[in-house]
Amino acid sequence: EAGVAQSPRYKIIEKRQSVAFWCNPISGHATLYWYQQILGQGPKLLIQFQNNGVVDDSQLPKDRFSAERLKGVDSTLKIQPAKLEDSAVYLCASSLGGSRANYGYTFGSGTRLTVV
Amino acid sequence: AQKVTQAQTEISVVEKEDVTLDCVYETRDTTYYLFWYKQPPSGELVFLIRRNSFDEQNEISGRYSWNFQKSTSSFNFTITASQVVDSAVYFCAGNFNKFYFGSGTKLNVKP
Repeated sequence: EAGVAQSPRYKIIEKRQSVAFWCNPISGHATLYWYQQILGQGPKLLIQFQNNGVVDDSQLPKDRFSAERLKGVDSTLKIQPAKLEDSAVYLCASSLGGSRANYGYTFGSGTRLTVV
Repeated sequence: AQKVTQAQTEISVVEKEDVTLDCVYETRDTTYYLFWYKQPPSGELVFLIRRNSFDEQNEISGRYSWNFQKSTSSFNFTITASQVVDSAVYFCAGNFNKFYFGSGTKLNVKP
């Protein structure tokens, strides 16, 4: 079974620039999550999708971050404009969703963003 | 409050020693799931175990074992006869209607 795919693997941008990350979840997984992991900390949930609808985006800085999951499969996370404190690893995860949301919960390898 | 706490920031042991990683959680939910993940230097989070709140049976998988005690809200992880390949950051997490991760414990196993 293919895992959760993320790209790019690394990205370096200047502050105030824009950046986008892509995630392809495991086939059949209804729920998709984006996490931010700052160095030395645990992952923090940014947004959770159930199919193509947003379930939880309470910790997403909506003035600069946006995410979408068109057609309930792939997802993109965008930052515009980026700040220095956005430097982190952005992890995508997916799970079966619904009553089985705790099953098959799998993380991608992440995108390491450095804002200079 | 809903949270997961890993008080040990970093632990160093010598190969073949046993080591226990502590995890304490807080939740108002009666139904929840607890997890342990391993994050090697490559960065990917590797699933180790999932436990639901109704199953307090301890679990053993090879050199790994987990002790879940609801009375103390703890879900500790023990590695027996540690190996250098066990060196990584280990995260405890809880799904209390939303995922909460602890801050992680970095384990250094020295040869």
